[in-house]
Amino acid sequence: QVQLQESGPGLVRPSETLSLNCIVSGGSINGYYWSWSRQPPGRGLEWIGWIHYSGTTRYSPSFESRVTISADTSKNQFSLKVNSVTAADAGVYFCARYGLESQKFLDYWGRGALVTVSS
Amino acid sequence: QSALTQPPSVSGSPGQSVTVSCTGTSSDVGGYDYVSWYQQHPGKAPKLLIYDVSERPSGVPDRFSGSKSGNTASLTISGLQAGDEADYYCYSYAGAYIHYVFGTGTKVTVL
Repeated sequence: QVQLQESGPGLVRPSETLSLNCIVSGGSINGYYWSWSRQPPGRGLEWIGWIHYSGTTRYSPSFESRVTISADTSKNQFSLKVNSVTAADAGVYFCARYGLESQKFLDYWGRGALVTVSS
Repeated sequence: QSALTQPPSVSGSPGQSVTVSCTGTSSDVGGYDYVSWYQQHPGKAPKLLIYDVSERPSGVPDRFSGSKSGNTASLTISGLQAGDEADYYCYSYAGAYIHYVFGTGTKVTVL
């Protein structure tokens, strides 16, 4: 059973960089697409971007100027960096895997990492 | 890029059926058969219920079904149960620029 686990600092200062890792266990990141989404407190889900295990990435236009997603196949994990954070970047960040059939849906999710932005 | 539009809430009694709609445009929902639905209980990760408009992953009860007409996708929950009380989100592929978009979310309440 594939499992995903987000990790990273729960507190980030305004204007600094938010960094999160997603560690994949029970399966390989090779051969799949992987995504990051977030959920501000009390609000809905927002899609941030995806990465193919080969390193190809695509980002939502809403985040493209501030976000970088990368993958480390040797560690079986992928990462998210969000630059110049503000209070609006606070929330729960989820990593997930795209299913193989059409590669257009998210079949396995991490439990989420809560990020607070405060000085 | 705007989120897909869902009703804020729907409700039904145990055993009844409820339908959650997800309205987009011809650039997302209407343009591709790549709508998926997720159930999210409070404080939990989303769970995949339906993919590619109407396909159900193994382990998801057949009480959950999906469909699409034009720019609107729908999730129907039949035989409503107390455990179905949760937030539901649609998610659609939106082409090579926007890529993907979530719906605004719908809270399903079991009366």
